Amino acid sequence: GQSLEQPSEVTAVEGAIVQINCTYQTSGFYGLSWYQQHDGGAPTFLSYNALDGLEETGRFSSFLSRSDSYGYLLLQELQMKDSASYFCAVNRDDKIIFGKGTRLHILP
Amino acid sequence: DTAVSQTPKYLVTQMGNDKSIKCEQNLGHDTMYWYKQDSKKFLKIMFSYNNKELIINETVPNRFSPKSPDKAHLNLHINSLELGDSAVYFCASSQVDRGIDTQYFGPGTRLTVL
Repeated sequence: GQSLEQPSEVTAVEGAIVQINCTYQTSGFYGLSWYQQHDGGAPTFLSYNALDGLEETGRFSSFLSRSDSYGYLLLQELQMKDSASYFCAVNRDDKIIFGKGTRLHILP
Repeated sequence: DTAVSQTPKYLVTQMGNDKSIKCEQNLGHDTMYWYKQDSKKFLKIMFSYNNKELIINETVPNRFSPKSPDKAHLNLHINSLELGDSAVYFCASSQVDRGIDTQYFGPGTRLTVL
């Protein structure tokens, strides 16, 4: 079967660092993507990892370990505008499967 | 310019009615999708079309019928609407670039069935 697990909610303080974990089980794995969705908005692409290691894009970084079927999204210097839901997604050879999303709450 | 657009943005209707949602993308992508996001935010793929050809049909009830008149458009028609169809429906398009398949989502259509 296939599954993706990520925490349903995470809370962090403005200016801090937060890590959102994602574990997956699937066949035909190509890579792991991350998407951000603000309330009332559409999901938007953040990052993609096909190979093991860390990919950095500004304040956001994403990590993948294929051997552990595990990845995470790291958000640094948190800002209030980062309050949103974050989805990990498995890119397979036939389609993309999304996790259930992690709601990130940021406290001032 | 809007990359992926959907109409309408909101749709409120009675059970048993038939309704359509339209989607257009101006990105020149070959592949388009319909996703359903329920009240718990679970985002699930329903259909995928590549160059007007259906390539994914994820065990969606046959009351849902997608139609792609050309590769820039993918419409969704829903017959005999049920309460459980209430959700946000997102259209998306994608193209594989340097091995990365990035989904570009439309703004969503919030369907409420009464």
